[in-house]
Amino acid sequence: DIQMTQSPSSLSASVGDSVTITCRSSRDIRIYLNWYQLKPGKAPKLLIYKVSNLQSGVPSRFSGSGSGTDFTLSISSLQLEDFATYYCQQSYSSPPTFGLGTKMEIK
Amino acid sequence: QVQLQESGPGLVKPSQTLSLTCTVSGDSISSGGFYWNWIRQHPGKGLEWIGHIYSSGATSYNPSFKSRITMSVVTSESQFSLKLSSASAADTAVYYCARGVDLGDYHDVWGRGTQVTVSS
Repeated sequence: DIQMTQSPSSLSASVGDSVTITCRSSRDIRIYLNWYQLKPGKAPKLLIYKVSNLQSGVPSRFSGSGSGTDFTLSISSLQLEDFATYYCQQSYSSPPTFGLGTKMEIK
Repeated sequence: QVQLQESGPGLVKPSQTLSLTCTVSGDSISSGGFYWNWIRQHPGKGLEWIGHIYSSGATSYNPSFKSRITMSVVTSESQFSLKLSSASAADTAVYYCARGVDLGDYHDVWGRGTQVTVSS
């Protein structure tokens, strides 16, 4: 299975800050990298698919980049509703695998 | 818009079969270009893909579940199901159903999840 490594595992930030989360795959996954947002008691939300494609309805302050094995999720001008846990996922090969998550908390 | 809702027992005894159903509303479960997934999250841990099924009944399972897993679909009821046999405490998790998109294999719509505890 392809291993996905996210960093940091947690971070503290303030409303209005910009943050970047990194995801590294154990081998080349081309462009098949997706990002999700999870909040307790809510349905997980797809943010970005295939590295940089913003899912419909997701604010433009979210962006993704990368290729091959190294990818990033960036969030500019953090809003209160952005404090959540973020997961990357590779969909290049089966089984699809997820990173361990990055929990973002309010500073 | 499409909505998914998981249902099933919240408590399962060890060695018994864990059974869950996901009901799809807002669109046909037979819509082309999509397939239907089960994903779980252990307490305080990451996400684990369990398997998926197409409306045709074709399946793909995570090998880590070996022969314990069965997925099925009832298109007339817009439902798909998961059965995980020989449940153990290691199967205690929040179980999500999610829609998968063929072109890219990402999961664009999820249910809220249901907590399943395996305990006597």
